[in-house]
Amino acid sequence: RKEVEQDPGPFNVPEGATVAFNCTYSNSASQSFFWYRQDCRKEPKLLMSVYSSGNEDGRFTAQLNRASQYISLLIRDSKLSDSATYLCVVNEDYGQNFVFGPGTRLSVLP
Amino acid sequence: EAQVTQNPRYLITVTGKKLTVTCSQNMNHEYMSWYRQDPGLGLRQIYYSMNVEVTDKGDVPEGYKVSRKEKRNFPLILESPSPNQTSLYFCASSSDNVGYEQYFGPGTRLTVT
Repeated sequence: RKEVEQDPGPFNVPEGATVAFNCTYSNSASQSFFWYRQDCRKEPKLLMSVYSSGNEDGRFTAQLNRASQYISLLIRDSKLSDSATYLCVVNEDYGQNFVFGPGTRLSVLP
Repeated sequence: EAQVTQNPRYLITVTGKKLTVTCSQNMNHEYMSWYRQDPGLGLRQIYYSMNVEVTDKGDVPEGYKVSRKEKRNFPLILESPSPNQTSLYFCASSSDNVGYEQYFGPGTRLTVT
């Protein structure tokens, strides 16, 4: 069975902190990887795709380690508005069968 | 405005009464999916569609049907709803032209009593 696992959380951090989320996936055939964010009772929205070489978007950095089947998300200088649940998503074959992790909830405190 | 719409947003129904949740996207995306989200389980894919008349089962298809007669619409049908189908449902669409980023609808909260 395909599985995606994430840090259980919740993470409670002060404003300005750096926080890292981890995600592991069981299917070595997985091809594409994403981080989504979901605010309470709202729809998930794409935060960033994760590329083999790693990628950065402002305060957010994503890394992929295919050998270890591990994905990470680093948030620097966290803001109150970063409070949300972060979902790790894996796609096996560039098709449409996406597997979501259970999510890690982040609360950034003033 | 590019969007995915779902209707209804909230629905309370009784066991066995057939219902349909509609989903429509205006982005001309080839791919559409249905998910359910339950506490502690995250989002689980119910069905997906690669294009018109092409659908396939996701991880939790039992008790659900879908159809894709038009590119923009992907309704979810519960022929005989049961209480274990009480959940938050999301429709999503995507295209390989945008790296398979999925755009989600606002969700439908279904309660089956």
